[in-house]
Amino acid sequence: GNSVTQMEGPVTLSEEAFLTINCTYTATGYPSLFWYVQYPGEGLQLLLKATKADDKGSNKGFEATYRKETTSFHLEKGSVQVSDSAVYFCALGSDSSYKLIFGSGTRLLVRP
Amino acid sequence: DAGVIQSPRHEVTEMGQEVTLRCKPISGHNSLFWYRQTMMRGLELLIYFNNNVPIDDSGMPEDRFSAKMPNASFSTLKIQPSEPRDSAVYFCASNPPRTSGEETQYFGPGTRLLVL
Repeated sequence: GNSVTQMEGPVTLSEEAFLTINCTYTATGYPSLFWYVQYPGEGLQLLLKATKADDKGSNKGFEATYRKETTSFHLEKGSVQVSDSAVYFCALGSDSSYKLIFGSGTRLLVRP
Repeated sequence: DAGVIQSPRHEVTEMGQEVTLRCKPISGHNSLFWYRQTMMRGLELLIYFNNNVPIDDSGMPEDRFSAKMPNASFSTLKIQPSEPRDSAVYFCASNPPRTSGEETQYFGPGTRLLVL
């Protein structure tokens, strides 16, 4: 069945460092891919998404490209800030249902 | 729009008591999801509704859990009787109709439940 695998955290970086959080997926068809972010004490909120191969989603300096050949959707940011400290979830949509399949989440801690 | 609204935001109860969590989805959204989040198990989908009808309840842990959606603007998740292992953050999420072309789920702020 469809699944999402993302790198385990926590990821600890210094401010202004480059960020990559890996996400790979297994799916039939051509699902949409998402990154959600959860700040402490809050619900998940959409960070970015891509709906087809080679699409790049971007928001708040974060980017991810839908790579069909490597079944990946890695999240990147060129220069992280302390305020980016949160848990990041990769998710996979479905052609046939309304469900999203979430990865296990990766905690990011950015130190000043 | 106010977003997905959940109540209460925090609930502390004693083992054996009934707990009811409430959710108001975003107006115009026709799918509603209940999730549970714990440190040990991460984010789990419990049940989801489409047009007020339960579509998939395979994630509901046991008969102590039940969910209803009597109309398009309200849903409840009930735990009876509650147990300490039910302590978690419960999220409600909704998304627009497929015909809108949008698959994004919008999450509420969650209800933090502690069962003593």
